[in-house]
Amino acid sequence: IQLTQSPSFLSASVGDRVTITCRASQGISSYLAWYQQKPGKAPKLVIYAASTLQGGVPSRFSGSGSGTEFTLTISSLRPEDFATYYCQQLYSYPVTFGPGTTVDIK
Amino acid sequence: QVQLVQSGSEVKTPGASVKVSCKASGYTFTDYSLHWVRQAPGQRLEWMGWINAGNGNTKYSENFRVRVTITRDAPASTVYMELSSLRSEDTAVYYCARGPLIVLVSDAPGNWFDPWGQGTLVTVSS
Repeated sequence: IQLTQSPSFLSASVGDRVTITCRASQGISSYLAWYQQKPGKAPKLVIYAASTLQGGVPSRFSGSGSGTEFTLTISSLRPEDFATYYCQQLYSYPVTFGPGTTVDIK
Repeated sequence: QVQLVQSGSEVKTPGASVKVSCKASGYTFTDYSLHWVRQAPGQRLEWMGWINAGNGNTKYSENFRVRVTITRDAPASTVYMELSSLRSEDTAVYYCARGPLIVLVSDAPGNWFDPWGQGTLVTVSS
């Protein structure tokens, strides 16, 4: 199952609302997770089952979608949110990841 | 707290093998699966395979099936990933990551990978 993300790169300011889209090549129900990765660090789980917020993750993060189209929204960007975000499908093996969306400071 | 600690960086020559370890703590090791994911420089994350830490069952990506072996030492709460016939394109950071409770998902991927180990850089160079 192939995953695409848009945009690939996003330049935004603190306080902005940001939306990232992930599309799957076939239906994956709600078996989609989102990860945040900062340079030199391991990915960190943000959202799982398309819309469930991982414990400890701020409520400004939200996820939605099912089937083939999904979104990750950050309602008001904070300085610590500047990172690369990856979607992941866990509907079937092999587990696959999107190419990533880098959120940079404008 | 739940933690995965991986072995240190490795430098290998083409054709060699590398074995990376991932030691788990803070939870019942045999209740969860563990996955291996790699990230080549500037590339997306790539899933390599999975082991059921309870019974040792494994599943590998077709991209690595011939070259990768994932094993576990349950008493030591440690999982190992060995990659053979290394080539320069295998230069990457290798991560282990925990999957959900096996009793909930059996051999399916589940809903998440969490937490992840800190990563192990493997450099393949002549």
